[in-house]
Amino acid sequence: GAVVSQHPSRVICKSGTSVKIECRSLDFQATTMFWYRQFPKQSLMLMATSNEGSKATYEQGVEKDKFLINHASLTLSTLTVTSAHPEDSSFYICSASTGGLYNEQFFGPGTRLTVL
Amino acid sequence: KQEVTQIPAALSVPEGENLVLNCSFTDSAIYNLQWFRQDPGKGLTSLLLIQSSQREQTSGRLNASLDKSSGRSTLYIAASQPGDSATYLCAVRLTGSQGNLIFGKGTKLSVKP
Repeated sequence: GAVVSQHPSRVICKSGTSVKIECRSLDFQATTMFWYRQFPKQSLMLMATSNEGSKATYEQGVEKDKFLINHASLTLSTLTVTSAHPEDSSFYICSASTGGLYNEQFFGPGTRLTVL
Repeated sequence: KQEVTQIPAALSVPEGENLVLNCSFTDSAIYNLQWFRQDPGKGLTSLLLIQSSQREQTSGRLNASLDKSSGRSTLYIAASQPGDSATYLCAVRLTGSQGNLIFGKGTKLSVKP
């Protein structure tokens, strides 16, 4: 149980294009989803927290107009990197929780984004 | 601001050796602490979760301890195996937050046959 999937697992795109990453909870309802970013040899950094049906809460320094998050259902959240640039190349990982402040998060396998 | 530090950044040991990974955090107001394993290019696998009221948790060859007052946690791996080679991440969950985790940079472990 508690499986989270991400799609795609790997994407390469040209600079200036937009990329959408999906995060799905396969066997539970995820009231809250989190999006993290991990640069090489760095720790995972939280980008934003989204609650189903509400606007996402972004961490300081994360541009909400560049990283669009939609959490329209209890099993799906999407992260769209708009007008991607090479500096956006990173490993993006989502996690999902059944809700409540302290419920355990279950992590997806991650998406490797490379912007040329 | 909560900071999580993991030492060492990398560790190489021969198969069969017992080893300890260290994690320290600056703010003791945590709800829990979690140890994860990350294989190259992959997501996270949760290994052990210690609530702030607990001192340790065990799972198989893994034992994690927590000393909240001193801001330290250790992950003990007994009888290491080549399959244990991975990056081990420590993360704390702050009290009063939405539940997001603050991660360390990890310790890259290599167990040589």
